[in-house]
Amino acid sequence: DQQVKQNSPSLSVQEGRISILNCDYTNSMFDYFLWYKKYPAEGPTFLISISSIKDKNEDGRFTVFLNKSAKHLSLHIVPSQPGDSAVYFCAAGVQGAQKLVFGQGTRLTINP
Amino acid sequence: KAGVTQTPRYLIKTRGQQVTLSCSPISGHRSVSWYQQTPGQGLQFLFEYFSETQRNKGNFPGRFSGRQFSNSRSEMNVSTLELGDSALYLCASSSGLGTPWRGANVLTFGAGSRLTVL
Repeated sequence: DQQVKQNSPSLSVQEGRISILNCDYTNSMFDYFLWYKKYPAEGPTFLISISSIKDKNEDGRFTVFLNKSAKHLSLHIVPSQPGDSAVYFCAAGVQGAQKLVFGQGTRLTINP
Repeated sequence: KAGVTQTPRYLIKTRGQQVTLSCSPISGHRSVSWYQQTPGQGLQFLFEYFSETQRNKGNFPGRFSGRQFSNSRSEMNVSTLELGDSALYLCASSSGLGTPWRGANVLTFGAGSRLTVL
């Protein structure tokens, strides 16, 4: 039972344009959501998070949007840079539990 | 601050063998979690230890086990290896004192141990 889904295995974007990565979830009990970025041969690194009581969180070029009614979140990267090329994982969790449920990942490629 | 260190980075085993993976967390972190990453499956939660006690457990068979030592270092063991156990095993540490979505509670991952079972 895949509670967190990233339906796009890959995405290609021109440098300088906006990258939008999507994530859907099925468990309405999730209290918070995160995005991690992973380069080859490295562990995932934390990018940005959002609580379920918010609908938007920004950190520099990165913005996460949460639509609870649609059980959907997205990560916007503006402007996209070559160094953003990586695999992006969305993850979700429940308050009080040290456990994250991850999506399958989306490979983002930024073309010069 | 040193990051999360996992050893070995790569290993090859044959079916039926067992394997032990090691994880040294960030200094001061008391929670260590283990995840399995396979192609198309994302990261799947194995278990989490805090102060030498298993606090959370995922849906993996009993062949997968772990422990944590008094210095917060952790090991995970997989016995009777199967071909499907081939994966990247990731360890993550955090303070463990709150939910892992911000500040010192955010999970910091190691580079992983890539296990190949032949």
